[in-house]
Amino acid sequence: IAGITQAPTSQILAAGRRMTLRCTQDMRHNAMYWYRQDLGLGLRLIHYSNTAGTTGKGEVPDGYSVSRANTDDFPLTLASAVPSQTSVYFCASSRDRGETQYFGPGTRLLVL
Amino acid sequence: KQEVTQIPAALSVPEGENLVLNCSFTDSAIYNLQWFRQDPGKGLTSLLLIQSSQREQTSGRLNASLDKSSGRSTLYIAASQPGDSATYLCAVETSGSRLTFGEGTQLTVNP
Repeated sequence: IAGITQAPTSQILAAGRRMTLRCTQDMRHNAMYWYRQDLGLGLRLIHYSNTAGTTGKGEVPDGYSVSRANTDDFPLTLASAVPSQTSVYFCASSRDRGETQYFGPGTRLLVL
Repeated sequence: KQEVTQIPAALSVPEGENLVLNCSFTDSAIYNLQWFRQDPGKGLTSLLLIQSSQREQTSGRLNASLDKSSGRSTLYIAASQPGDSATYLCAVETSGSRLTFGEGTQLTVNP
């Protein structure tokens, strides 16, 4: 079934640990995105990639890094997790920028 | 900085009622506006996308309008059903592939 998968579904992480959230899409979309969703703040863009090999910073990029080695995968890395990174993280993709974005099921992350 | 506001924050209606959800944005220089629904504990599902050059889009019982000059969009849901209960999110796309979201309207349709 075509779509976006995210892993893990949920994670409890000790502060200071490194963590990579995985995102894979099989729709051959050029553009991919990472958002975080927090109560009272809504969804905010962390990083994006318009095409394989390129990435850009969103609204809240600090403490996060991404890579886009190929079309399908767009991992998000927290180099040294802090409690303020406790959130629900959504990966999304679109055929190209400016087109409908399709979202994955999310990763619930708790940093203690 | 683009800001998106959705009113009301929550809405409860009886089944069968027609309803309107509102979205406003501060910067009219947008590429498009998208409406999503989010069910509890789930990801977002795209409902409609309106390009900046368009005035409205329709899909089934849903109709979304866009007035870019006034910074407003509405989502009209006809003949609401309990299955329409969800949070509805409005988002505008500006330069740099940035989608800016509102905080959503939580809709409950009572049988």
